[in-house]
Amino acid sequence: GAGVSQTPSNKVTEKGKYVELRCDPISGHTALYWYRQSLGQGPEFLIYFQGTGAADDSGLPNDRFFAVRPEGSVSTLKIQRTERGDSAVYLCASSLVAGAFNEQFFGPGTRLTVL
Amino acid sequence: GDSVTQMEGPVTLSEEAFLTINCTYTATGYPSLFWYVQYPGEGLQLLLKATKADDKGSNKGFEATYRKETTSFHLEKGSVQVSDSAVYFCALSGYGGSQGNLIFGKGTKLSVKP
Repeated sequence: GAGVSQTPSNKVTEKGKYVELRCDPISGHTALYWYRQSLGQGPEFLIYFQGTGAADDSGLPNDRFFAVRPEGSVSTLKIQRTERGDSAVYLCASSLVAGAFNEQFFGPGTRLTVL
Repeated sequence: GDSVTQMEGPVTLSEEAFLTINCTYTATGYPSLFWYVQYPGEGLQLLLKATKADDKGSNKGFEATYRKETTSFHLEKGSVQVSDSAVYFCALSGYGGSQGNLIFGKGTKLSVKP
């Protein structure tokens, strides 16, 4: 079936604006992860969901960042009052269930540019 | 906290050369270890993994052995091809495997010349 998809692929916004980034996981995958990758760096964990609930949001940098997964499938990462430092590629991954033994499948990412 | 350190790139090799990309980690307990690869224009994909000490992960001619005594998980391939050109990320998943969120190194870009 289809892999993890993310929309939009690119998003350019102005400082101070609100953005939403969407992730469609692989059908049947109960765990969903968000990561952020800055230029020249590896991905950094933001938050993960097991089902509808955020099981660990310890990687969210501050309260401007929020994510939801209301029906246990699609997830939206929301960033308020964007800052230039938020510019990065935002990656979503899903796995059958949460846990180190379960392969995470990554989407192509959303490149966010804050002007 | 947990962390991963991998060798800086870029690494440029000729086809059929031997490849080693070093990776060391710091973690409490017994993490699982991974190598992910990102080919040009594509998303991250799992290359291989090892979930306990002395395990060897292997795939597509690549292999890495989980060495607890040296806290290392070096990636090796005996004969690289042009198609192996990509960015390689070493990663770990923390103690107990109950969460699964990955901690990545900075990545090593490999270019293989014909």
